[in-house]
Amino acid sequence: QKEVEQNSGPLSVPEGAIASLNCTYSDRGSQSFFWYRQYSGKSPELIMFIYSNGDKEDGRFTAQLNKASQYVSLLIRDSQPSDSATYLCAVTLSGGYNKLIFGAGTRLAVHP
Amino acid sequence: GAGVSQSPSNKVTEKGKDVELRCDPISGHTALYWYRQSLGQGLEFLIYFQGNSAPDKSGLPSDRFSAERTGGSVSTLTIQRTQQEDSAVYLCASSLEVGIYEQYFGPGTRLTVT
Repeated sequence: QKEVEQNSGPLSVPEGAIASLNCTYSDRGSQSFFWYRQYSGKSPELIMFIYSNGDKEDGRFTAQLNKASQYVSLLIRDSQPSDSATYLCAVTLSGGYNKLIFGAGTRLAVHP
Repeated sequence: GAGVSQSPSNKVTEKGKDVELRCDPISGHTALYWYRQSLGQGLEFLIYFQGNSAPDKSGLPSDRFSAERTGGSVSTLTIQRTQQEDSAVYLCASSLEVGIYEQYFGPGTRLTVT
């Protein structure tokens, strides 16, 4: 079982719709969760982080964390073509290490 | 302030040669990380530096890989006797300090071993 799992996609949504990206992780002790956006040929860009159960909103982005289910998600409201990218879920392992374990990413395509 | 910078942006080398990749973290960030992203693969942790503590080298794939961080700032990742499977984008990230986990990535160095 991979430590961080994501559906590779592509996830195709129409412009203006809500895009829902999901991630599961295997380490029950993980404490920190991140979403990075990566455009083709570019490096990952941090867009959201969440440490506590529940929802965290920032503009059009909402991160949702459910530690009991070992599940973290990212919602993008009013999706735009410029949101088309690969979204990487990353977690830190229990034990206090700072290194991030990444999922393989979900490719999102927002079509006009 | 400036973000994480890396040099060179691209490096083409012949199999068997040594290469050095450089990372300059965000000013004031004490934690520095190296990751590797191979074509079609996810990001793979390589090594982590935190202040003056011993680095976490658990992700280095072989003893041909080494890294140092001088003066608590700039880091150099060295790959000796490069192999074709070393071809990847090498990414550096930094974070503010221990317990602050948000990592910010540099633009990466694309390494091609011919």
